[in-house]
Amino acid sequence: AQKVTQAQTEISVVEKEDVTLDCVYETRDTTYYLFWYKQPPSGELVFLIRRNSFDEQNEISGRYSWNFQKSTSSFNFTITASQVVDSAVYFCALSEADISNFGNEKLTFGTGTRLTIIP
Amino acid sequence: DGGITQSPKYLFRKEGQNVTLSCEQNLNHDAMYWYRQDPGQGLRLIYYSQIVNDFQKGDIAEGYSVSREKKESFPLTVTSAQKNPTAFYLCASSMLRAADTQYFGPGTRLTVL
Repeated sequence: AQKVTQAQTEISVVEKEDVTLDCVYETRDTTYYLFWYKQPPSGELVFLIRRNSFDEQNEISGRYSWNFQKSTSSFNFTITASQVVDSAVYFCALSEADISNFGNEKLTFGTGTRLTIIP
Repeated sequence: DGGITQSPKYLFRKEGQNVTLSCEQNLNHDAMYWYRQDPGQGLRLIYYSQIVNDFQKGDIAEGYSVSREKKESFPLTVTSAQKNPTAFYLCASSMLRAADTQYFGPGTRLTVL
């Protein structure tokens, strides 16, 4: 069974500080995908990144960066120079790829990390 | 604009009543999903559908029903059999590719009075 753990329930940092959100996953598959979503106070989940298990390259998008390490089953998310608009709940999610039945893969979410940026 | 719409945004229901939540997408996605979110928890899958007139139960389907008569629409009915219906409900859709990205609607917050 697949599982995603986000041990940090809540984090608060002062604006402009860097912050890292941790994500640890468990899966028996060799082919899987990892995701990060942002949920601002409005409630809608906003897609941030999708990464497959064969691509361990770190990714940077503006102030956001992701560190994928298969050796430790982690997919951590760092926000550099945080801003008040980054305040949200962030979810990490895992999907095992079922290439024989697309759309049937289950997306398993962690319990989320509530990030508060203090002005 | 392409996207997913859910209505209503807020819904109040008396105990014992059925209620239907709307989800529409114009992204031409084949797969659609319904999730439930409770405070402090992740999302849990209720139902999903890969094609019209077909759907499968997720992890917490009891007390819910769905239909998929059109590709664009995937309404969820919360029945009186659902013991604890007060929650935030999110609809999502995706292409039919391996673990393709699911895109979410704005959600419906259901409160049972």
